Amino acid sequence: GAVVSQHPSRVICKSGTSVKIECRSLDFQATTMFWYRQFPKQSLMLMATSNEGSKATYEQGVEKDKFLINHASLTLSTLTVTSAHPEDSSFYICSARDPRGARDQPQHFGDGTRLSIL
Amino acid sequence: QKEVEQNSGPLSVPEGAIASLNCTYSDRGSQSFFWYRQYSGKSPELIMFIYSNGDKEDGRFTAQLNKASQYVSLLIRDSQPSDSATYLCAVRGKNAGNMLTFGGGTRLMVKP
Repeated sequence: GAVVSQHPSRVICKSGTSVKIECRSLDFQATTMFWYRQFPKQSLMLMATSNEGSKATYEQGVEKDKFLINHASLTLSTLTVTSAHPEDSSFYICSARDPRGARDQPQHFGDGTRLSIL
Repeated sequence: QKEVEQNSGPLSVPEGAIASLNCTYSDRGSQSFFWYRQYSGKSPELIMFIYSNGDKEDGRFTAQLNKASQYVSLLIRDSQPSDSATYLCAVRGKNAGNMLTFGGGTRLMVKP
């Protein structure tokens, strides 16, 4: 079963709207979660690392004021796309790693959120 | 040079054949290696991970790691049309904590 839950799966909204995406770790606590963006026919691009209780770490070229990340609990990280525009339309995916068990536990991905800005 | 490199493909193989997917990485200190499969419009799903040199088998899948040559590969035996997807190689560096670095992915097409 899914170990990372992402919601919503699809959003269609007007330009200028702010959109919040939730990522939850199920059955484990994740001090770190990752947010990716994927444009059609392209690979995953890491946007930011979400750190529980502290500021997120953004990758170069990603606007932190545009993509607000909140990781207020050990099982929930949220990504808010503020004042979204058509160029923000993309597939947003979160991931988290269960820290228990073997040292090489993989990251598990949520099902992704397809964002379409009209 | 990209940190993790894959041939974008498409790699086309007939049904029942062996598909061989390759990945090279630049960080010699990398410790953990993962293969994910991604169907169109879906998020990646884990197939296998490997961290010791040699082969690791799981059903029709075999991951091969050669740290001296800095490459990791994935073999899919008895390929099925349902294996058609993009395969992503991911590497966790020595000091990367939880972060993975992904290759660009190889698109595999298995033809009936």
